[in-house]
Amino acid sequence: AQSVTQPDIHITVSEGASLELRCNYSYGATPYLFWYVQSPGQGLQLLLKYFSGDTLVQGIKGFEAEFKRSQSSFNLRKPSVHWSDAAEYFCAVGGFGNEKLTFGTGTRLTIIP
Amino acid sequence: GAVVSQHPSRVICKSGTSVKIECRSLDFQATTMFWYRQFPKKSLMLMATSNEGSKATYEQGVEKDKFLINHASLTLSTLTVTSAHPEDSSFYICSARGHPDRGRTEAFFGQGTRLTVV
Repeated sequence: AQSVTQPDIHITVSEGASLELRCNYSYGATPYLFWYVQSPGQGLQLLLKYFSGDTLVQGIKGFEAEFKRSQSSFNLRKPSVHWSDAAEYFCAVGGFGNEKLTFGTGTRLTIIP
Repeated sequence: GAVVSQHPSRVICKSGTSVKIECRSLDFQATTMFWYRQFPKKSLMLMATSNEGSKATYEQGVEKDKFLINHASLTLSTLTVTSAHPEDSSFYICSARGHPDRGRTEAFFGQGTRLTVV
């Protein structure tokens, strides 16, 4: 069975500081990995995805993530956060074509001035 | 990216009534649509997968007679919560995807529907 673990429920960082959100996955085949962001009361917006190739993927809004097969991880990073980055972040794993995406429990990001 | 529109964004209904939520792909043909439910401070749980023109496939534990899903066209899927009860109150989100063999490997999410049953 596939699963995703986001060990940090809530993270607070200062504006301008760097950010890393952790994600570990379990999947029986080649994983397709995603990071989504959700603002309060809104749907999900795709930040980035990994299917194959370069293990460091670039996404929107200055985010990047690195796929590490040996660690079953797909951590999200941003060198300098902005107040507008405050939101809930979800890591997800699925098969080809986003079949049956399994989401982590999310990490809520708070930005302080 | 492609646009998926979900309607209504919020709905309040009385216990025992039925509520229909629409999910539309506005600028692409969605061969597959997914319906998720999100509990407060929880992750998204896949409820069912629907392919255009065929019956939806429900995840284990999801009552198909309570959560009716129809995917009658390539741009519209509906979720009907029948005989709603307060415990059905939740945030429901749909996502839509085109045909993966045509390079449509990404599913796009609607903005969600907040259902409150009183």
